[in-house]
Amino acid sequence: DGGITQSPKYLFRKEGQNVTLSCEQNLNHDAMYWYRQDPGQGLRLIYYSQIVNDFQKGDIAEGYSVSREKKESFPLTVTSAQKNPTAFYLCASSIDHRGYVRDNEQFFGPGTRLTVL
Amino acid sequence: QQQVKQSPQSLIVQKGGISIINCAYENTAFDYFPWYQQFPGKGPALLIAIRPDVSEKKEGRFTISFNKSAKQFSLHIMDSQPGDSATYFCAASRRGGKLIFGQGTTLQVKP
Repeated sequence: DGGITQSPKYLFRKEGQNVTLSCEQNLNHDAMYWYRQDPGQGLRLIYYSQIVNDFQKGDIAEGYSVSREKKESFPLTVTSAQKNPTAFYLCASSIDHRGYVRDNEQFFGPGTRLTVL
Repeated sequence: QQQVKQSPQSLIVQKGGISIINCAYENTAFDYFPWYQQFPGKGPALLIAIRPDVSEKKEGRFTISFNKSAKQFSLHIMDSQPGDSATYFCAASRRGGKLIFGQGTTLQVKP
């Protein structure tokens, strides 16, 4: 069963803590993405990775960090520097991010809801 | 130039009615325009997508209308059903580029 998994589904963080959100895909996709979703603000891109060991900042990267050591995995760390981390976090992947594929559909995971206590 | 503007923010339609959501863009280099559907607590899923070489694409009850000269595209949901109640996002990208999402429209279809 191919797809994207995210864990945990719900995550609670205390002020000043770093937390890591997991994202795994078995679609053999090259590109992976992290989005943050807040009510009324759509999907905002945090980081993306086109290939293993490479990643770029998106529109709201401050206070977040990522790694891409394996093709299947793209974990997101929400650091204590992120001032307002309470949100719904979505991971996505696509076959290609370099223009080789005409319709580069993004497939999304089920999301992680992070709440700061 | 990178923005995609979506309206309305929320929409209430009676069962059997037509739901219409509109999007506008500025970047003429965009050449891929997907619509995503998201149910509460779930990730978005691709609903339908269009390229600017056609003016309309239909899949079942869902139709995208595309107006290249006006730089606008819209989603029409015919015979709207309560099961269509969800948040809908339009998006746009150019080849090899990132997807730029609209702000989303929350659709409620009343029985």
